[in-house]
Amino acid sequence: SQQGEEDPQALSIQEGENATMNCSYKTSINNLQWYRQNSGRGLVHLILIRSNEREKHSGRLRVTLDTSKKSSSLLITASRAADTASYFCATGIPTFGRGTSLIVHP
Amino acid sequence: DTGVSQNPRHKITKRGQNVTFRCDPISEHNRLYWYRQTLGQGPEFLTYFQNEAQLEKSRLLSDRFSAERPKGSFSTLEIQRTEQGDSAMYLCASSLPGTPSAGYFGPGTRLTVL
Repeated sequence: SQQGEEDPQALSIQEGENATMNCSYKTSINNLQWYRQNSGRGLVHLILIRSNEREKHSGRLRVTLDTSKKSSSLLITASRAADTASYFCATGIPTFGRGTSLIVHP
Repeated sequence: DTGVSQNPRHKITKRGQNVTFRCDPISEHNRLYWYRQTLGQGPEFLTYFQNEAQLEKSRLLSDRFSAERPKGSFSTLEIQRTEQGDSAMYLCASSLPGTPSAGYFGPGTRLTVL
C-alpha cells in the first residue's frame, strides 16, 4: 500500500503561529498530495508535489518532500482560525492516511 | 454550481436493504473515484473509473459493493444487503488527466444502517 501516515495526530496552536505536519509513506511515489477537510467545505485538494521536486509553495503553504526518507511535511505559516481542519497526505491512486487534526485558537 | 454533486446527501436504511448512491462529476472530468470515510479516519479508497472503465477496485471491497459508470459521465455505487458496518460517509471525486488525481471532491452521502 502507498498509504501515507500523518504525524502528529492532533495539533493545537494559537492564531498567528506556524503549524507543521509530517507524512511518511512506504513505497516509491510519482507524487504526493495534501488535502484539507473541514465541516464547512468538505475535502479540498491543497497542493501536489512531484517526486523530482523538493519544495513547493502555495500562498501560506509550504510543502517539502524527501524521497530518500519517504517523508513530506506541510507547513502552514501565520495560521488563522479558519485553518482549523484535518489535513491528509495522499499518494498513489490516491490513498489517504488518518490525518492530522489541527485546531487554531483565535 | 459546477462542482461534483452527490445524491442523496443522507440515507438511512435498515440492515439487509440495498442502497444506491449517485455521483455527478465535473463536466468533462473523465476520472471518477469513490471513497468511504468513517469518523476519525481518512478516506478509504473503494474504486476508480477512467471514462466508463473501472480500472481499480480495492481488495477491501466486498462483493456486496458494486459501482458503475455506464456512459462515462455519472456513476452509481450500490451496496447490497447492508450491514451496520457500512455506516459511513461515501465520497466521490473527479479529475482530468494530467491534473491532481481526485482533485475535486463532492459533499458526500452519509449512510446510516440501523
